Amino acid sequence: DAGITQSPRHKVTETGTPVTLRCHQTENHRYMYWYRQDPGHGLRLIHYSYGVKDTDKGEVSDGYSVSRSKTEDFLLTLESATSSQTSVYFCAISEIGLYGYTFGSGTRLTVV
Amino acid sequence: DAKTTQPNSMESNEEEPVHLPCNHSTISGTDYIHWYRQLPSQGPEYVIHGLTSNVNNRMASLAIAEDRKSSTLILHRATLRDAAVYYCIPSMNSGYSTLTFGKGTMLLVSP
Repeated sequence: DAGITQSPRHKVTETGTPVTLRCHQTENHRYMYWYRQDPGHGLRLIHYSYGVKDTDKGEVSDGYSVSRSKTEDFLLTLESATSSQTSVYFCAISEIGLYGYTFGSGTRLTVV
Repeated sequence: DAKTTQPNSMESNEEEPVHLPCNHSTISGTDYIHWYRQLPSQGPEYVIHGLTSNVNNRMASLAIAEDRKSSTLILHRATLRDAAVYYCIPSMNSGYSTLTFGKGTMLLVSP
């Protein structure tokens, strides 16, 4: 979607290295989310943010950290990547009074 | 979070109507029923949502049972582009409540 972009789109990294994924929005929405999607599991919430510097954990937050220093950017960091974090990561945004979340196109991360 | 039950997969022919069911018997009184779909290699996209009354928009219709324990997403004329995984998600309609995705229904559309 034009209002939300994820970078990089694809990344291959080695076990034990730090990795940061970026979600950028131009919609000025207050709420941002990070999900991961794995075969057989659907989408699972990792972390979410309800404002600048305000974040909280989701269902599968272990091994991940997030930061939101500006409204438009929500960063997901894997401090020390493991093979179990190989997945497709989706960012989403939402706002009070607006219907539906808007999702990004995803980042495919492979940890070897 | 309310538990949902959806068929793993359904098949349809192009230009025919499709009825995608969802059971959500433990839904709370304040939860709306949201539907999202995910096309291959894309992020999910919002389809429709409702509370008690049936709802229509340009993409689909949503029929909600009177007891709210089930709902049906209706695609009036399926196209090849409608082939996707469809998720039924009970959630507050606050604009900031987190969404809990199940495994959804994979809709296959044949020409």
